[in-house]
Amino acid sequence: RKEVEQDPGPFNVPEGATVAFNCTYSNSASQSFFWYRQDCRKEPKLLMSVYSSGNEDGRFTAQLNRASQYISLLIRDSKLSDSATYLCVVGRSGTYKYIFGTGTRLKVLA
Amino acid sequence: NAGVTQTPKFQVLKTGQSMTLQCAQDMNHEYMSWYRQDPGMGLRLIHYSVGAGITDQGEVPNGYNVSRSTTEDFPLRLLSAAPSQTSVYFCASSYGFGTGHLPNYGYTFGSGTRLTVV
Repeated sequence: RKEVEQDPGPFNVPEGATVAFNCTYSNSASQSFFWYRQDCRKEPKLLMSVYSSGNEDGRFTAQLNRASQYISLLIRDSKLSDSATYLCVVGRSGTYKYIFGTGTRLKVLA
Repeated sequence: NAGVTQTPKFQVLKTGQSMTLQCAQDMNHEYMSWYRQDPGMGLRLIHYSVGAGITDQGEVPNGYNVSRSTTEDFPLRLLSAAPSQTSVYFCASSYGFGTGHLPNYGYTFGSGTRLTVV
Protein backbone atom coordinates (compact mmCIF):
# COMPACT_ATOMS: atom_id res chain seq x y z
CA ARG A 1 0.00 0.00 0.00
CA LYS A 2 1.32 3.43 -0.87
CA GLU A 3 1.88 5.84 2.00
CA VAL A 4 -0.17 8.53 0.25
CA GLU A 5 -2.92 7.55 -2.17
CA GLN A 6 -5.01 9.57 -4.58
CA ASP A 7 -7.57 8.73 -7.24
CA PRO A 8 -5.72 9.53 -10.49
CA GLY A 9 -8.91 10.67 -12.28
CA PRO A 10 -9.35 12.37 -14.62
CA PHE A 11 -12.26 14.26 -13.15
CA ASN A 12 -14.09 15.96 -16.02
CA VAL A 13 -16.44 18.67 -14.77
CA PRO A 14 -18.28 21.55 -16.42
CA GLU A 15 -17.42 25.14 -15.65
CA GLY A 16 -19.13 26.31 -12.48
CA ALA A 17 -19.31 22.86 -10.94
CA THR A 18 -18.12 21.92 -7.48
CA VAL A 19 -15.57 19.11 -7.33
CA ALA A 20 -13.90 17.36 -4.41
CA PHE A 21 -10.77 15.25 -4.18
CA ASN A 22 -9.73 12.99 -1.35
CA CYS A 23 -6.30 11.76 -0.39
CA THR A 24 -5.63 9.03 2.15
CA TYR A 25 -2.43 8.54 4.13
CA SER A 26 -1.27 5.48 6.03
CA ASN A 27 1.02 6.94 8.72
CA SER A 28 -1.22 8.01 11.60
CA ALA A 29 1.57 10.15 13.06
CA SER A 30 1.85 12.36 9.97
CA GLN A 31 2.15 16.01 10.90
CA SER A 32 2.04 18.28 7.86
CA PHE A 33 -0.42 18.29 5.00
CA PHE A 34 -0.54 20.25 1.76
CA TRP A 35 -2.23 20.47 -1.60
CA TYR A 36 -0.12 21.39 -4.62
CA ARG A 37 -1.17 22.16 -8.15
CA GLN A 38 0.88 21.04 -11.15
CA ASP A 39 0.22 22.18 -14.69
CA CYS A 40 1.36 20.04 -17.61
CA ARG A 41 5.16 20.03 -17.93
CA LYS A 42 5.55 22.55 -15.12
CA GLU A 43 6.75 22.44 -11.56
CA PRO A 44 4.35 21.85 -8.66
CA LYS A 45 3.16 24.98 -6.89
CA LEU A 46 1.82 25.21 -3.38
CA LEU A 47 -1.95 25.65 -3.40
CA MET A 48 -2.62 25.54 0.31
CA SER A 49 -1.59 24.00 3.58
CA VAL A 50 -4.18 21.90 5.39
CA TYR A 51 -4.88 22.56 9.05
CA SER A 52 -6.79 20.46 11.55
CA SER A 53 -9.59 23.00 11.77
CA GLY A 54 -9.96 23.16 8.01
CA ASN A 55 -9.11 26.19 5.96
CA GLU A 56 -10.44 28.14 3.02
CA ASP A 57 -8.82 30.26 0.36
CA GLY A 58 -11.35 31.80 -2.01
CA ARG A 59 -13.01 28.99 -3.94
CA PHE A 60 -10.77 26.35 -2.37
CA THR A 61 -11.46 24.56 0.91
CA ALA A 62 -9.17 22.00 2.52
CA GLN A 63 -10.13 19.62 5.30
CA LEU A 64 -8.18 17.17 7.43
CA ASN A 65 -9.76 14.12 9.02
CA ARG A 66 -7.18 12.56 11.32
CA ALA A 67 -9.48 9.81 12.57
CA SER A 68 -10.01 8.46 9.05
CA GLN A 69 -6.58 9.60 7.83
CA TYR A 70 -7.58 11.58 4.82
CA ILE A 71 -7.44 15.11 3.55
CA SER A 72 -9.78 16.67 1.06
CA LEU A 73 -9.82 19.55 -1.37
CA LEU A 74 -13.06 21.17 -2.48
CA ILE A 75 -13.14 23.51 -5.46
CA ARG A 76 -16.27 25.60 -5.92
CA ASP A 77 -17.36 27.37 -9.09
CA SER A 78 -14.72 25.61 -11.22
CA LYS A 79 -12.90 27.67 -13.83
CA LEU A 80 -11.23 26.49 -17.02
CA SER A 81 -7.97 27.66 -15.45
CA ASP A 82 -8.41 25.15 -12.61
CA SER A 83 -7.57 22.34 -15.05
CA ALA A 84 -4.40 20.77 -13.67
CA THR A 85 -3.14 17.88 -11.59
CA TYR A 86 -3.63 18.26 -7.84
CA LEU A 87 -1.00 16.66 -5.63
CA CYS A 88 -1.54 15.67 -2.03
CA VAL A 89 1.56 15.95 0.18
CA VAL A 90 2.08 14.57 3.68
CA GLY A 91 4.96 15.26 6.03
CA ARG A 92 6.27 12.08 7.62
CA SER A 93 6.40 12.51 11.35
CA GLY A 94 9.81 12.37 12.99
CA THR A 95 11.60 12.95 9.70
CA TYR A 96 12.22 15.82 7.35
CA LYS A 97 10.51 14.03 4.49
CA TYR A 98 7.48 15.03 2.49
CA ILE A 99 5.68 12.23 0.65
CA PHE A 100 3.77 13.06 -2.52
CA GLY A 101 0.71 11.35 -3.88
CA THR A 102 0.65 10.58 -7.59
CA GLY A 103 -1.92 13.30 -8.21
CA THR A 104 -5.51 13.70 -9.35
CA ARG A 105 -6.09 15.16 -12.77
CA LEU A 106 -8.88 17.70 -13.18
CA LYS A 107 -10.32 18.87 -16.48
CA VAL A 108 -12.81 21.70 -16.41
CA LEU A 109 -14.89 21.74 -19.57
CA ALA A 110 -16.46 24.77 -21.24
CA ASN B 1 13.71 37.51 -6.47
CA ALA B 2 14.69 34.45 -8.52
CA GLY B 3 13.40 31.76 -6.11
CA VAL B 4 14.79 28.32 -7.01
CA THR B 5 16.91 28.13 -10.15
CA GLN B 6 17.71 24.83 -11.82
CA THR B 7 20.12 24.25 -14.67
CA PRO B 8 20.12 22.83 -17.26
CA LYS B 9 16.47 22.64 -18.33
CA PHE B 10 17.11 19.77 -20.74
CA GLN B 11 19.92 17.23 -20.99
CA VAL B 12 20.64 14.10 -22.98
CA LEU B 13 23.32 11.77 -21.64
CA LYS B 14 24.83 8.56 -22.86
CA THR B 15 24.81 5.55 -20.55
CA GLY B 16 27.80 5.71 -18.23
CA GLN B 17 28.32 9.45 -18.44
CA SER B 18 28.29 11.58 -15.31
CA MET B 19 26.87 15.03 -14.81
CA THR B 20 25.75 17.51 -12.18
CA LEU B 21 22.34 19.12 -12.00
CA GLN B 22 22.60 22.55 -10.44
CA CYS B 23 20.17 24.05 -7.96
CA ALA B 24 20.37 27.44 -6.29
CA GLN B 25 17.94 29.38 -4.13
CA ASP B 26 18.10 32.96 -2.96
CA MET B 27 15.46 32.82 -0.21
CA ASN B 28 17.81 31.77 2.60
CA HIS B 29 15.91 28.50 2.97
CA GLU B 30 17.55 25.94 5.21
CA TYR B 31 15.78 22.92 3.78
CA MET B 32 16.46 21.75 0.22
CA SER B 33 15.64 18.55 -1.58
CA TRP B 34 15.77 16.74 -4.91
CA TYR B 35 12.84 14.82 -6.36
CA ARG B 36 12.39 12.84 -9.52
CA GLN B 37 9.03 12.57 -11.22
CA ASP B 38 8.07 9.63 -13.40
CA PRO B 39 4.68 8.82 -14.98
CA GLY B 40 2.42 6.99 -12.54
CA MET B 41 5.01 7.20 -9.75
CA GLY B 42 4.54 10.72 -8.46
CA LEU B 43 7.46 12.67 -7.05
CA ARG B 44 10.00 10.57 -5.19
CA LEU B 45 12.57 12.01 -2.84
CA ILE B 46 16.18 11.38 -3.84
CA HIS B 47 18.21 13.34 -1.26
CA TYR B 48 17.58 16.23 1.06
CA SER B 49 19.46 18.67 3.24
CA VAL B 50 18.39 20.46 6.40
CA GLY B 51 21.26 22.94 6.30
CA ALA B 52 24.75 23.59 5.00
CA GLY B 53 26.95 20.56 5.57
CA ILE B 54 24.02 18.23 6.35
CA THR B 55 22.53 15.84 3.81
CA ASP B 56 20.56 12.62 4.00
CA GLN B 57 19.03 10.02 1.73
CA GLY B 58 15.48 9.95 0.53
CA GLU B 59 13.49 7.10 -0.98
CA VAL B 60 15.53 6.55 -4.15
CA PRO B 61 19.15 7.66 -3.50
CA ASN B 62 21.04 4.99 -5.45
CA GLY B 63 23.11 6.37 -8.31
CA TYR B 64 23.01 9.95 -7.01
CA ASN B 65 25.26 12.05 -4.77
CA VAL B 66 24.69 15.43 -3.18
CA SER B 67 26.59 17.97 -1.14
CA ARG B 68 25.59 21.20 0.58
CA SER B 69 28.57 23.48 1.06
CA THR B 70 26.48 26.66 1.20
CA THR B 71 22.91 27.50 2.15
CA GLU B 72 22.19 28.60 -1.42
CA ASP B 73 23.42 25.65 -3.51
CA PHE B 74 22.44 21.98 -3.58
CA PRO B 75 23.84 20.18 -6.64
CA LEU B 76 22.81 16.66 -7.60
CA ARG B 77 25.43 14.43 -9.20
CA LEU B 78 24.70 11.44 -11.38
CA LEU B 79 27.69 9.17 -11.03
CA SER B 80 27.21 6.85 -14.04
CA ALA B 81 24.00 7.55 -15.91
CA ALA B 82 21.61 4.69 -16.67
CA PRO B 83 18.44 4.66 -18.80
CA SER B 84 16.43 4.11 -15.59
CA GLN B 85 17.47 7.62 -14.55
CA THR B 86 15.54 9.14 -17.44
CA SER B 87 13.13 11.41 -15.61
CA VAL B 88 12.17 14.95 -14.72
CA TYR B 89 14.19 16.22 -11.76
CA PHE B 90 12.92 18.92 -9.43
CA CYS B 91 14.85 20.79 -6.80
CA ALA B 92 12.81 22.32 -3.99
CA SER B 93 13.46 24.43 -0.94
CA SER B 94 11.53 25.36 2.17
CA TYR B 95 11.92 27.76 5.05
CA GLY B 96 11.19 25.01 7.51
CA PHE B 97 9.38 21.82 8.30
CA GLY B 98 6.13 21.97 10.18
CA THR B 99 6.16 19.82 13.29
CA GLY B 100 3.62 20.16 16.01
CA HIS B 101 3.45 23.77 17.09
CA LEU B 102 5.45 25.12 14.18
CA PRO B 103 3.72 26.54 11.11
CA ASN B 104 3.48 24.35 8.06
CA TYR B 105 5.77 25.64 5.36
CA GLY B 106 5.49 24.29 1.85
CA TYR B 107 8.06 23.90 -0.85
CA THR B 108 9.14 26.26 -3.59
CA PHE B 109 10.12 24.22 -6.63
CA GLY B 110 12.52 24.94 -9.43
CA SER B 111 11.27 24.62 -12.99
CA GLY B 112 12.79 21.18 -13.45
CA THR B 113 15.42 19.40 -15.53
CA ARG B 114 14.27 16.93 -18.18
CA LEU B 115 16.95 14.27 -18.41
CA THR B 116 17.11 11.56 -21.02
CA VAL B 117 19.71 8.79 -20.79
CA VAL B 118 20.25 6.84 -23.99
